[in-house]
Amino acid sequence: SAVISQKPSRDICQRGTSLTIQCQVDSQVTMMFWYRQQPGQSLTLIATANQGSEATYESGFVIDKFPISRPNLTFSTLTVSNMSPEDSSIYLCSVEGWGETQYFGPGTRLLVL
Amino acid sequence: AQSVAQPEDQVNVAEGNPLTVKCTYSVSGNPYLFWYVQYPNRGLQFLLKYITGDNLVKGSYGFEAEFNKSQTSFHLKKPSALVSDSALYFCAVRDIGYGGATNKLIFGTGTLLAVQP
Repeated sequence: SAVISQKPSRDICQRGTSLTIQCQVDSQVTMMFWYRQQPGQSLTLIATANQGSEATYESGFVIDKFPISRPNLTFSTLTVSNMSPEDSSIYLCSVEGWGETQYFGPGTRLLVL
Repeated sequence: AQSVAQPEDQVNVAEGNPLTVKCTYSVSGNPYLFWYVQYPNRGLQFLLKYITGDNLVKGSYGFEAEFNKSQTSFHLKKPSALVSDSALYFCAVRDIGYGGATNKLIFGTGTLLAVQP
């Protein structure tokens, strides 16, 4: 399985500000995914990050709020823009590895005050 | 639409006893089913999957799951629970789009497993 790292591991931010989360993989992967896990909730897919093209967003998520970059096959960023307390969540990136299995990073724990 | 249900918010079991964490699914077509575990302050770790083949799937840390098509279930099991198995367990299904299987995973609500010493 791929080794996935995320930065920062956690952060506390003020409302109205933006935070960029980085996801780094130790091997080249075609598709990377960004999920949100709200407190006490399950995981919800935000978007699929494709290298060389715009990200594909799920219903309820928009590019202005969650811009994504995918400059190469090992790296992606997710920005949470104009944050409000409702954005307090764990944000996880994942990649699809061998056997159609997704592997997840350790997550970024975000608290918005 | 594809979905998975985890009917139990929490499962309590004594160490050494067998454990079962339940998952049922609703899909059109053949399901791709997964189990993940989330330890406190950690990301999700892959445990096992069913795509095709034997209905009994063996995974990491001694866990196994049985795919039952007639009951549309994919319950996670372990013969003898350990205190260190205490964690949040998620069942997931691969979404099936118009053109076939997509990469999107749809997760259940999670089941907290508490193993008492």
